[in-house]
Amino acid sequence: EVQLVESGGGLVKPGGSLRLSCAASGFTFSSYSMNWVRQAPGKGLEWVSSISSSSIYSYYADSVKGRFTISRDNAKRSLFLQMNSLRAEDTAVYYCARFYDILTGCLDYWGQGTLVTVSS
Amino acid sequence: AIRMTQSPSSFSASTGDRVTITCRASQGVSNYLAWYQQKPGKAPKLLIYTASTLQTGVPSRFSGSGSGTDFTLTVSCLQSEDFATYYCQQYYSYPYTFGQGTKLEIK
Repeated sequence: EVQLVESGGGLVKPGGSLRLSCAASGFTFSSYSMNWVRQAPGKGLEWVSSISSSSIYSYYADSVKGRFTISRDNAKRSLFLQMNSLRAEDTAVYYCARFYDILTGCLDYWGQGTLVTVSS
Repeated sequence: AIRMTQSPSSFSASTGDRVTITCRASQGVSNYLAWYQQKPGKAPKLLIYTASTLQTGVPSRFSGSGSGTDFTLTVSCLQSEDFATYYCQQYYSYPYTFGQGTKLEIK
């Protein structure tokens, strides 16, 4: 069974940093590109970042470019999101999600999400 | 960035109804379009990809169509478990973008 479990969320002050993790199981993690998607309270979904299976390629939403860094450790079957210079508008539930396959950019498995709150 | 616009943003329907949700892209995305269902407090669930391909395990009352800029999600006979929020997503080009969502409520 495919499982994605996020952790690392919490309360952080504006300007602060946080590192999210996503532990994957039930599939060959090193064969899949991965993503972070967020959802502000009561709002819609926003794609944040993607990383290719071997970490060669990474992509970011303009809203986080230069502040967030996506990375992965295939040996540990883990995905990360380093978030710096956090702002109030980064407050959201952050989901880890898997690409369906190498050619299809839809997201077939999602974690349960971890809440990040940026507030003084 | 490609803007995805869904309509309506919300509406009410009854069990057994046939409903259609529309998603329009600000520029052509070919058939690189997915639909998701989200229930309160839960992660989104993939329903349809490549505009019309049903994800494994999704009931056949769900269907998708369209290409280019105009897409639709249809539920042929609403069941109680279908009342949720639905999102479209384009994966034609980065940044991948979602529609604002359509909340389907019980009448």
